Amino acid sequence: KAGVTQTPRYLIKTRGQQVTLSCSPISGHRSVSWYQQTPGQGLQFLFEYFSETQRNKGNFPGRFSGRQFSNSRSEMNVSTLELGDSALYLCASTAQEITGELFFGEGSRLTVL
Amino acid sequence: EDQVTQSPEALRLQEGESSSLNCSYTVSGLRGLFWYRQDPGKGPEFLFTLYSAGEEKEKERLKATLTKKESFLHITAPKPEDSATYLCAVRTHNNAGNMLTFGGGTRLMVKP
Repeated sequence: KAGVTQTPRYLIKTRGQQVTLSCSPISGHRSVSWYQQTPGQGLQFLFEYFSETQRNKGNFPGRFSGRQFSNSRSEMNVSTLELGDSALYLCASTAQEITGELFFGEGSRLTVL
Repeated sequence: EDQVTQSPEALRLQEGESSSLNCSYTVSGLRGLFWYRQDPGKGPEFLFTLYSAGEEKEKERLKATLTKKESFLHITAPKPEDSATYLCAVRTHNNAGNMLTFGGGTRLMVKP
């Protein structure tokens, strides 16, 4: 059974640009969550989608957005990139509607110059 | 605001030297505490779920316990392959759905 797949794995952008990250959850998983991981702040929740509906949003500015498609694949977008957006962006999926047992991908490492 | 604090930040052990990692939490209505392991360059991997004080879970050399204020991850006779960052996370009444609040993690290094 394939795991959570995130693309691209690595990318470099410059300030002011925008970026789109993609996540393909495990087959059958309807919940997809996104987290930002940095050395200083650790893992911070961005948002969660369940059956194409955003159920939760973390404390991030509106430059961070996401969506989920009917096949449960998800994308997140960051507009007007800032240096502080450099981080590992992790996607996690689960089949359960309410759980803490998440299956994480290996992440997309974003560097903003 | 829900808070999760892990200690120590880093821990070095000799192979076979047992120890415990701490996760203390201040939350509004705990709905579950979860332990994850993260290897360098990888996403976190789920280990345990604990729901109520007094609950214990075991897996190989790892044992997780829960009280009303904190959780411990006990590592018995660790091996070098146990080296990783261990993260705890909580679901609470403040968090709908599958939203988790994570602690900062404990980086464990086990030397042969």
